[in-house]
Amino acid sequence: DSGVTQTPKHLITATGQRVTLRCSPRSGDLSVYWYQQSLDQGLQFLIQYYNGEERAKGNILERFSAQQFPDLHSELNLSSLELGDSALYFCASSLDHGPYNEQFFGPGTRLTVL
Amino acid sequence: AQKVTQAQTEISVVEKEDVTLDCVYETRDTTYYLFWYKQPPSGELVFLIRRNSFDEQNEISGRYSWNFQKSTSSFNFTITASQVVDSAVYFCALSEARMRRETSGSRLTFGEGTQLTVNP
Repeated sequence: DSGVTQTPKHLITATGQRVTLRCSPRSGDLSVYWYQQSLDQGLQFLIQYYNGEERAKGNILERFSAQQFPDLHSELNLSSLELGDSALYFCASSLDHGPYNEQFFGPGTRLTVL
Repeated sequence: AQKVTQAQTEISVVEKEDVTLDCVYETRDTTYYLFWYKQPPSGELVFLIRRNSFDEQNEISGRYSWNFQKSTSSFNFTITASQVVDSAVYFCALSEARMRRETSGSRLTFGEGTQLTVNP
């Protein structure tokens, strides 16, 4: 158990809908990352927050947004969902924002868009 | 741009065999960090090791060992005397240092992963 929690574990929804994925980092970690894992794209970095501020951005679609709250939990919002958004979404956390940190991953949220 | 290549998509071995997973990376930075993660069938990603670009010493942890060679931009992972429980997808990842910018962040760039199957 990495100490990172993600809810829900599974999510099934329809195209055009909006969903919110939630992540709580390990105790003491200030940085949160979101990754998407799909068969065709592999593991892709989406976005990083550190202590409430956005720090790094990957190839995150405009339909996707995220934030980190004062209690350090983070939410990833996916809107106008398409079939291609079906994937495993991971949250990870680390102590701070530096590249030397090992990132600890949550169990993931499996999103299925029908 | 940084890139990680794991050319071996799938490897199948018999228990007790040694197996090496290859990882080749590309980066323009002189300071960077390399990682290996394991993704067992249950799906979570488990951190195995981190290496920085200034430390080329090989590392051994039980049955696991890592060989970092800057000259060939490789960071290979060897499992000695493999076991069925080692069956998983293994990912190599790279993180570059952007130390001088106050608003710098970090990200892991992952390779495609190598599916290792250890048969009894």
